[in-house]
Amino acid sequence: EAQVTQNPRYLITVTGKKLTVTCSQNMNHEYMSWYRQDPGLGLRQIYYSMNVEVTDKGDVPEGYKVSRKEKRNFPLILESPSPNQTSLYFCASSLYGQGGTEAFFGQGTRLTVV
Amino acid sequence: KNQVEQSPQSLIILEGKNCTLQCNYTVSPFSNLRWYKQDTGRGPVSLTIMTFSENTKSNGRYTATLDADTKQSSLHITASQLSDSASYICVVTSNFGNEKLTFGTGTRLTIIP
Repeated sequence: EAQVTQNPRYLITVTGKKLTVTCSQNMNHEYMSWYRQDPGLGLRQIYYSMNVEVTDKGDVPEGYKVSRKEKRNFPLILESPSPNQTSLYFCASSLYGQGGTEAFFGQGTRLTVV
Repeated sequence: KNQVEQSPQSLIILEGKNCTLQCNYTVSPFSNLRWYKQDTGRGPVSLTIMTFSENTKSNGRYTATLDADTKQSSLHITASQLSDSASYICVVTSNFGNEKLTFGTGTRLTIIP
């Protein structure tokens, strides 16, 4: 089954403790991205990757890092999480580009930073 | 500034009734417009995509319309079912540079029996 898999689904952590949210897709998509979704705001892009070893900042990259060493994986790293990073996070992939082909979203990771 | 505004913010209707959700955008230059359905606690799933030249597109009981002149789109749901309860998100793609996506904040639809 074609899918985007995120882990974990839920995470509670303390301020400053490094964490990684994994994202994997099995559709051989070139484009992957991370979004955060907060109440009253639309999804906002954090980082995106056009292909292996190619990453770039989205609209809200501060406090986040990503890497794309393999085509299927695109982990999101929070080096020193803060409470304002409490949010619902989504990983997405598409064959290429952002809008030209359909984006497939993961199930989401609800992160709480205390 | 590129913006996508959706209305209403929330809507409650009886099962079996029809409803229409609205999306107004100021994204330029325009590439395409998608409607996504997002069930609570799940990732968004694409319902329809429309390019500049398309006025209407259907997906089962969902029909999307696009008026590129007035920069408005609507999503019409026919004969609503309980499973239609979800948030519906309008997403507009700009073909400037790296195909920027602009998301609306969504309409929360609740279907009651």
